[in-house]
Amino acid sequence: DIQMTQSPSTLSASLGDRVTITCRASQSITTWLAWYQQKPGKAPKVLIYKASTLESGVPSRFSGSGSGTEFTLTINSLQPDDFATYYCQQYNSYPRTFGQGTKVEIK
Amino acid sequence: EVQLVESGGGLVQPGGSLRLACAASGFTFSTYSMIWVRQAPGKGLEWVSTITGGSDIPYYADSVKGRFTVSRDSAKNSLFLQMDSLRAEDTAVYYCARGRDSSGWNDHWGQGTPVTVSS
Repeated sequence: DIQMTQSPSTLSASLGDRVTITCRASQSITTWLAWYQQKPGKAPKVLIYKASTLESGVPSRFSGSGSGTEFTLTINSLQPDDFATYYCQQYNSYPRTFGQGTKVEIK
Repeated sequence: EVQLVESGGGLVQPGGSLRLACAASGFTFSTYSMIWVRQAPGKGLEWVSTITGGSDIPYYADSVKGRFTVSRDSAKNSLFLQMDSLRAEDTAVYYCARGRDSSGWNDHWGQGTPVTVSS
């Protein structure tokens, strides 16, 4: 199974900050990676797929990069609506696996 | 508009069974892969099962293989998850989701249905 490791687990940031979350895969997944945002009590929402493609309707302050085993999700100019938990997910192979999540908190 | 609505969750004793359903609308259900993902209280997301679009090939996480069965009724635009031999560690909110790019990533999710396994 491919293990997905996110860092950090928690991130404290202020409005307007640039935030970067890292996701590492235990083996190469080329660019078969998605990023999701989840708020408490709500279903996840996809932000990015194929490592760097922004899903329709997602603000352009979100961006993704990387390939192989190392990936990043960047949020430029953090907005109030961005305080949430973020998950990466590989879809290179079964079983599909998620990272453990990164909670973005208000500093 | 794509809509996914789960139902069937509830309280069940260890060793019991439960059948979850996901009613889909707003898209050609039979052509899309459908996915079940769960989230235990206070924990992260865990992929449970996928049923592919068209060929209806099922895939399962090792943690549920042999106990859970995914199926779909395309005439009724419904996805199902039959859960047998339930354990305390199956307690979670169960989400259904629509798959994209060969059931890779999930573009639409239901609101989730809670399952509690406890005596």
